[in-house]
Amino acid sequence: QKEVEQDPGPLSVPEGAIVSLNCTYSNSAFQYFMWYRQYSRKGPELLMYTYSSGNKEDGRFTAQVDKSSKYISLFIRDSQPSDSATYLCAIPMFSGGYNKLIFGAGTRLAVHP
Amino acid sequence: DSGVTQTPKHLITATGQRVTLRCSPRSGDLSVYWYQQSLDQGLQFLIQYYNGEERAKGNILERFSAQQFPDLHSELNLSSLELGDSALYFCASSNGLAADTQYFGPGTRLTVL
Repeated sequence: QKEVEQDPGPLSVPEGAIVSLNCTYSNSAFQYFMWYRQYSRKGPELLMYTYSSGNKEDGRFTAQVDKSSKYISLFIRDSQPSDSATYLCAIPMFSGGYNKLIFGAGTRLAVHP
Repeated sequence: DSGVTQTPKHLITATGQRVTLRCSPRSGDLSVYWYQQSLDQGLQFLIQYYNGEERAKGNILERFSAQQFPDLHSELNLSSLELGDSALYFCASSNGLAADTQYFGPGTRLTVL
């Protein structure tokens, strides 16, 4: 089983839609959860960073963590064409004596006008 | 702009050749990470350096090596290149040892013919 699973999509939605992006993880010890956004031909950029369970909101973006289900979500309200990108969940993990960041496969999102 | 720079942007070379990718971290960041991103493998962690010392190794092939110099810039050396090494190579940096908040460069697109 992969440590972090993410549906690669693609996901296509009309402008203004609410988008839900999801990841599942296998290790209940994970505490920190991140979402990165990657535009085509660019490097990933950190979008949201959450700790433990609950919700965190930043403008049109809400990150949600459900530790009981080992499920993390990113919601985008009032989606815009400029939100078209690949969204990657990421979890820092301590393994073999060092920290590393485990990325999901990324979900490709297209928001059409 | 993340503050992380990578050169070159594009590299086209032949099988069996050797190339060097360069990365300059954000000002003040001591950790540098290298990642490989291909269509079928997603974003894979290769190696981390902290203040000149190797700190963590991921899925890095023996044909690949890296180093971090006193001025904190880093180079990733890829040798005996194979067609399957064609990918995007990203460098990321962070302030400390922890792998959580990383800032990614724009990447180097390597094409091996």
